[in-house]
Amino acid sequence: AQTVTQSQPEMSVQEAETVTLSCTYDTSENNYYLFWYKQPPSRQMILVIRQEAYKQQNATENRFSVNFQKAAKSFSLKISDSQLGDTAMYFCALALMNRDDKIIFGKGTRLHILP
Amino acid sequence: DVKVTQSSRYLVKRTGEKVFLECVQDMDHENMFWYRQDPGLGLRLIYFSYDVKMKEKGDIPEGYSVSREKKERFSLILESASTNQTSMYLCASSRGDSLYEQYFGPGTRLTVT
Repeated sequence: AQTVTQSQPEMSVQEAETVTLSCTYDTSENNYYLFWYKQPPSRQMILVIRQEAYKQQNATENRFSVNFQKAAKSFSLKISDSQLGDTAMYFCALALMNRDDKIIFGKGTRLHILP
Repeated sequence: DVKVTQSSRYLVKRTGEKVFLECVQDMDHENMFWYRQDPGLGLRLIYFSYDVKMKEKGDIPEGYSVSREKKERFSLILESASTNQTSMYLCASSRGDSLYEQYFGPGTRLTVT
């Protein structure tokens, strides 16, 4: 069975700082996707970034980047120059390629960006 | 932009009532999903559908059923609501060739009293 673990239930950082959200996962499969989703307060959840497991290069989307360590089964999200609008619940997620049509979500990390 | 809408943001129902949660997407997506979100538990998949009239059980289907009569609409049905079904319900959709890139609706916060 696949699992996704986010060990930080809640975090707070000052605006403009860099913050890293941790995620570890477990799967015996070799081909999979990893995702970070963002759910702002009272707003819709959106996909922030995705990583294909076969790609060694870490994905980057503007101020968001990941540190993908396949051997360690670690997939952390780094937010640079954090902004108040980054305040949200962040979910790490895993999906197996060509299997089961399901995404396995972690329990989430609530991130507060402080002015 | 993809738009996924849900019929209600907030809903209060009594124990034993039949509850319908509606989800509509406007991007001709093949796949649609229903999740429930609970504090400390993250998102858990209830049901999903990859085509009209097709449905598959997710991780926690007990106490729920679904209906997909039209491609754009996916309904979640609580046959007899119970207090342990008080939760936030999220609908999502995705293209058939991009199964995992899901677009979410705003959620329905259901309270069963």
